Amino acid sequence: DGGITQSPKYLFRKEGQNVTLSCEQNLNHDAMYWYRQDPGQGLRLIYYSQIVNDFQKGDIAEGYSVSREKKESFPLTVTSAQKNPTAFYLCASSRTGDSNQPQHFGDGTRLSIL
Amino acid sequence: QQQVKQSPQSLIVQKGGISIINCAYENTAFDYFPWYQQFPGKGPALLIAIRPDVSEKKEGRFTISFNKSAKQFSLHIMDSQPGDSATYFCAANSGGYQKVTFGTGTKLQVIP
Repeated sequence: DGGITQSPKYLFRKEGQNVTLSCEQNLNHDAMYWYRQDPGQGLRLIYYSQIVNDFQKGDIAEGYSVSREKKESFPLTVTSAQKNPTAFYLCASSRTGDSNQPQHFGDGTRLSIL
Repeated sequence: QQQVKQSPQSLIVQKGGISIINCAYENTAFDYFPWYQQFPGKGPALLIAIRPDVSEKKEGRFTISFNKSAKQFSLHIMDSQPGDSATYFCAANSGGYQKVTFGTGTKLQVIP
């Protein structure tokens, strides 16, 4: 089945540590996205990528970094500069970046601070 | 600021009843309005979507009503079932690079 795989499902970060969340899709989608979900705040866009080797900051990019070296992969690094990283992180993809393309989501990674 | 305001924050409906969730937006550049359904511990999944040139779209028990002049749209779930218990997000898309703005979510509980 085609879909988006996020790993790990749960992740714990120590103070001062960078952690990387994995996102892989086999839908052959061009566009990929990272969202952060906090209770009562909906989904907020961290980064998005329309094409390999290109990505753009979203609304809350500070303290995060991404790469897009392969079409199917879009890993997110939560750096030590992100002071409040505890959240549910969702990766999504769409066939293209056109506005009428629905986004398909993975099942998320829950990040907590040790 | 691009915002999508969603209400209510939570909703309890009896089995067989109608669940209604409302959203309002300000930016007239939005041109695609999807609704997503999210179960605990899972990612959101597209439920139904509408474009602003259509006033209503129905898929099974789910209907979107769209009022372009009022800049409002709503999700109606007919004959609500316990399996519909989930969090529902409205969203609005705009721009060539699919800038998606999500509502804050409505937690629906359908009681037997």
